Amino acid sequence: KAGVTQTPRYLIKTRGQQVTLSCSPISGHRSVSWYQQTPGQGLQFLFEYFSETQRNKGNFPGRFSGRQFSNSRSEMNVSTLELGDSALYLCASSLEGSSYEQYFGPGTRLTVT
Amino acid sequence: EDQVTQSPEALRLQEGESSSLNCSYTVSGLRGLFWYRQDPGKGPEFLFTLYSAGEEKEKERLKATLTKKESFLHITAPKPEDSATYLCAVRSYGGATNKLIFGTGTLLAVQP
Repeated sequence: KAGVTQTPRYLIKTRGQQVTLSCSPISGHRSVSWYQQTPGQGLQFLFEYFSETQRNKGNFPGRFSGRQFSNSRSEMNVSTLELGDSALYLCASSLEGSSYEQYFGPGTRLTVT
Repeated sequence: EDQVTQSPEALRLQEGESSSLNCSYTVSGLRGLFWYRQDPGKGPEFLFTLYSAGEEKEKERLKATLTKKESFLHITAPKPEDSATYLCAVRSYGGATNKLIFGTGTLLAVQP
């Protein structure tokens, strides 16, 4: 069974630009969550999508947004990039049910210059 | 506020030297405690889920245990390939359905 895939794996952008990251969950998983990982803050929850609807949102500014498609694939967008947005962006998928185990992709390394 | 604290921040062991990593948590109602392993430049790899105090799970040289306030990840006779950052996370009844709150991790180095 294929795992969670994320594209692109690496990205370099300039301050002020916008970026879109993509995530394909494990087949059959309908929940997709996004996390930001930085050396200073660790892993922080951005938002979660289920059945094309944002179900939960973390404490990030409105520049961070996302969406989910009918095939459960998800994208996240960051507008007006800032230097502090440099991070590893991780996507995780899970099955609905009592376990709620989340399986992570390899991440997208975003560098803002 | 839900909170997770991991200790130590870093741990260096000799191959074969057993030890334990600690994860202390404060949550409004535990819906699950999760252990992950993360290698440099990669996403976290799922290891265990624990749901209630007294529960234990094992996988190869790793054993996770849970009490009402903390979890331990015991590493028996570690090998150099066990070197990684080990992350602990919780989900609570008071939080978002699938939001995991992570600790900052323990960086484990096993020397041959």
